[in-house]
Amino acid sequence: DQQVKQNSPSLSVQEGRISILNCDYTNSMFDYFLWYKKYPAEGPTFLISISSIKDKNEDGRFTVFLNKSAKHLSLHIVPSQPGDSAVYFCAASALDDYKLSFGAGTTVTVRA
Amino acid sequence: GAVVSQHPSRVICKSGTSVKIECRSLDFQATTMFWYRQFPKQSLMLMATSNEGSKATYEQGVEKDKFLINHASLTLSTLTVTSAHPEDSSFYICSVWGEYEQYFGPGTRLTVT
Repeated sequence: DQQVKQNSPSLSVQEGRISILNCDYTNSMFDYFLWYKKYPAEGPTFLISISSIKDKNEDGRFTVFLNKSAKHLSLHIVPSQPGDSAVYFCAASALDDYKLSFGAGTTVTVRA
Repeated sequence: GAVVSQHPSRVICKSGTSVKIECRSLDFQATTMFWYRQFPKQSLMLMATSNEGSKATYEQGVEKDKFLINHASLTLSTLTVTSAHPEDSSFYICSVWGEYEQYFGPGTRLTVT
């Protein structure tokens, strides 16, 4: 049972424009959310996180928005750069649970 | 943040043999490490939680006798795939929790022929 869902398997965006990646979750116990970036044959690297007490967290070009009532979060990348081309995973964990549940990933391609 | 290494990065083995994958936390003492598996174009699936000095906790559907986990020290966890079969071919990744996020190793590509 997939508790974290990324319904868009791929996203193509022009360089300089905004990339918006979406993630939905079903487990109401999730209270901490993370976004990871992954290149082929490499481990994921952490991008940004947000706890359920916030609705927005920003770090440079990356902003994550959380809508708890809708059980939805999104990652905004602006401006998008060619180096942003990768697979992006949304992950979630519940209070006092160290396990992460991952979405299926969204492949982002930034066109020059 | 924590630096996590894995060895080997790639391994090819014959069906029926066993393969050991090491995960090291280089600058962080980790009482708990995690092992994930990723099939092509799929998500990362948690296989088990490795606990230093005690038995690993396996996720539902993961055979503990097939995927042996040993966490003998605060910096090393090993995953042994026993009697490997072609369907075990996958990308295996370990991780440790830092202060706010999990840090992942670079992964090990296992191919069983």
